[in-house]
Amino acid sequence: KAGVTQTPRYLIKTRGQQVTLSCSPISGHRSVSWYQQTPGQGLQFLFEYFSETQRNKGNFPGRFSGRQFSNSRSEMNVSTLELGDSALYLCASSLVGQLNTEAFFGQGTRLTVV
Amino acid sequence: SQQGEEDPQALSIQEGENATMNCSYKTSINNLQWYRQNSGRGLVHLILIRSNEREKHSGRLRVTLDTSKKSSSLLITASRAADTASYFCAGSARQLTFGSGTQLTVLP
Repeated sequence: KAGVTQTPRYLIKTRGQQVTLSCSPISGHRSVSWYQQTPGQGLQFLFEYFSETQRNKGNFPGRFSGRQFSNSRSEMNVSTLELGDSALYLCASSLVGQLNTEAFFGQGTRLTVV
Repeated sequence: SQQGEEDPQALSIQEGENATMNCSYKTSINNLQWYRQNSGRGLVHLILIRSNEREKHSGRLRVTLDTSKKSSSLLITASRAADTASYFCAGSARQLTFGSGTQLTVLP
């Protein structure tokens, strides 16, 4: 079966702009989680969506938002980009949630803010 | 903040040797998961051990969990050059919270 697909793979944006990242989970998976990975902070949880509802949220400012569609595809939006938002953004899908089952990660979107 | 801290931060061994990585976590968990990440790419799930389990095996992987010490270890036996990657533990409570990772280098 197809894996988790994240688009785009690479993105360069300017400070102050906004960006939307997309994640298509594995077919049949209803949970999608987003993570930010940076050399300094490591892997940090952004939020989790399940059946179009945000089920959990990490400690990120309101500039970071997301949504999930009825087909379980998810988007993540970052507004008013800052240099510190440069990171690898990873999305993970799981059947009902990654707390008790394995999560499958996409290859990530590498965002560079200049 | 990160749930776990891996030890060591970096490990370099010869092919064929065993590699042991340790992870300590801070709060109570439902289970603990280990992931592997090749340079700058997505994470691959390796193994999940539940809080009521003490040891689990999968192929060349052996994971232990000590909830009283809030620690876990990952043993990779008979390592191969292809095992070179970063390894992360992730504690599962309300969400998955990852440790800082161990960079494993297996020299041919």
